[in-house]
Amino acid sequence: QTVVTQEPALSVSPGGTVTLTCGLTSGSVSTTYHPSWYQQTPGQPPRMLIFSTNSRSSGVPDRFSGSIFGNKAALTITGAQADDESDYYCVIYLGGGVWVFGGGTKLTVL
Amino acid sequence: QVRLVESGGGLVKPGGSLRLSCAASGFTFSDYYMSWIRQAPGKGLEYISYISKGGTTINYAESLRGRFTISRANAQNSLFLDIHTLRPEDTAVYYCARLRQGNYFDSWGQGTLVTVSS
Repeated sequence: QTVVTQEPALSVSPGGTVTLTCGLTSGSVSTTYHPSWYQQTPGQPPRMLIFSTNSRSSGVPDRFSGSIFGNKAALTITGAQADDESDYYCVIYLGGGVWVFGGGTKLTVL
Repeated sequence: QVRLVESGGGLVKPGGSLRLSCAASGFTFSDYYMSWIRQAPGKGLEYISYISKGGTTINYAESLRGRFTISRANAQNSLFLDIHTLRPEDTAVYYCARLRQGNYFDSWGQGTLVTVSS
C-alpha cells in the first residue's frame, strides 16, 4: 500500500521561509502524480492552496509556492505570517481514481 | 459562489447504516466530478471515493471498498454516500469536495460528523 509521507511538525519564525515536503515510501513524486496542497485550521474544512504541483489557487498569497524538490513535492512559504500557522496536507493522485493524502504537517509560526 | 453543504451525520450504533448527503449550489453540478473525504477526530484526511459527472465511473479507496457506496442525483444537485456496517473507526467528519480535472479538490463543504458508538 502506498504511503505518502510528510513531516509531522515544523516551525518557522515570522518572516522566515519554510519548506514542507511530500514523499512516497516507495518511489519518487513527480508532476505526473499531480500533487496538491491544502491548508486546514482547527474546526474548518481544508482550503486548497496549490494544485498540479505548482499552480496557486485563486486568492492564495504568492508567498505560497509549490515545486518538486528532489524526489518529493514541496510547499514553500516565503515570509511566513502568524496566520499561516495551520495543518498542511498534500495529496497524490495514483491514477485509476485513487488519491492518497499525506499525514499532514503541523506548522507553528513562532 | 460554490457552496457544498453536507448533512445526514449523527450518532449511530455499530453495525448500523447511514446515508450522507451533499447539496451543491453556485455551479453547474452535472459538469463536475465529485468526491467524499473523511477526517477522524484529531487525525489526517482520508480519501473515500469519487464519482464522474454522469455517475457512470466510480472508484473507492482500496481499504474502504465494500461498505461505502457513492451516488449522485444531478437533477437535485446532490451527492450521496451510503455507509453500511458502521464501525467505531468510521467516526469522522465526512466532507464532500468538488474534484477538478487536474486531479485536485478545489471546493469543500463544512463537513458532517458521524459518530459510531454504542
